[in-house]
Amino acid sequence: DQQVKQNSPSLSVQEGRISILNCDYTNSMFDYFLWYKKYPAEGPTFLISISSIKDKNEDGRFTVFLNKSAKHLSLHIVPSQPGDSAVYFCAAIDRGSTLGRLYFGRGTQLTVWP
Amino acid sequence: KAGVTQTPRYLIKTRGQQVTLSCSPISGHRSVSWYQQTPGQGLQFLFEYFSETQRNKGNFPGRFSGRQFSNSRSEMNVSTLELGDSALYLCASGRMNTEAFFGQGTRLTVV
Repeated sequence: DQQVKQNSPSLSVQEGRISILNCDYTNSMFDYFLWYKKYPAEGPTFLISISSIKDKNEDGRFTVFLNKSAKHLSLHIVPSQPGDSAVYFCAAIDRGSTLGRLYFGRGTQLTVWP
Repeated sequence: KAGVTQTPRYLIKTRGQQVTLSCSPISGHRSVSWYQQTPGQGLQFLFEYFSETQRNKGNFPGRFSGRQFSNSRSEMNVSTLELGDSALYLCASGRMNTEAFFGQGTRLTVV
């Protein structure tokens, strides 16, 4: 049962433009959301997170937006750079749970071309 | 501050053998989780430990097991290896119910 979904397996964007990666979730108990970036044969790197009490969080070129009513979040990268080319994973946590795990989407391969 | 350390980085084993992977979390982190990544798949959750207790287990057969020690270091073991167990195994550490930080992973190849 995939509780976090990334419906676009890939995204191709020109350098300097905006990249928008999308993520949907089904579990209304999720209250903390994260984005990770992953290069091949390496572990995922934490990028940015957002609590469910906010609708936006910004860190440099990266902004995450959360729409709780739609159970949807997105990651905006502006401007996109070739070094941003990687797989991006969306993840969610139910912080009230004792089960202690992150729920991941299947990832979106971002390619930024010059 | 040192990151999550996984050893070994690469491993080749034969079908039927068993393997033990090790993970040293970031200092102060008591939660350690394990994930499996295979080509075309996302991050498949294996199990999570907190203060030496397994709190959650993913949908993997009993051949996959783990443990956590009093210093928060964790090991996972896979017995009777199958070809399909070839994957990148990732360990992540964190404080309770917050962002997790991943190690570089162990690439296991079963031949």
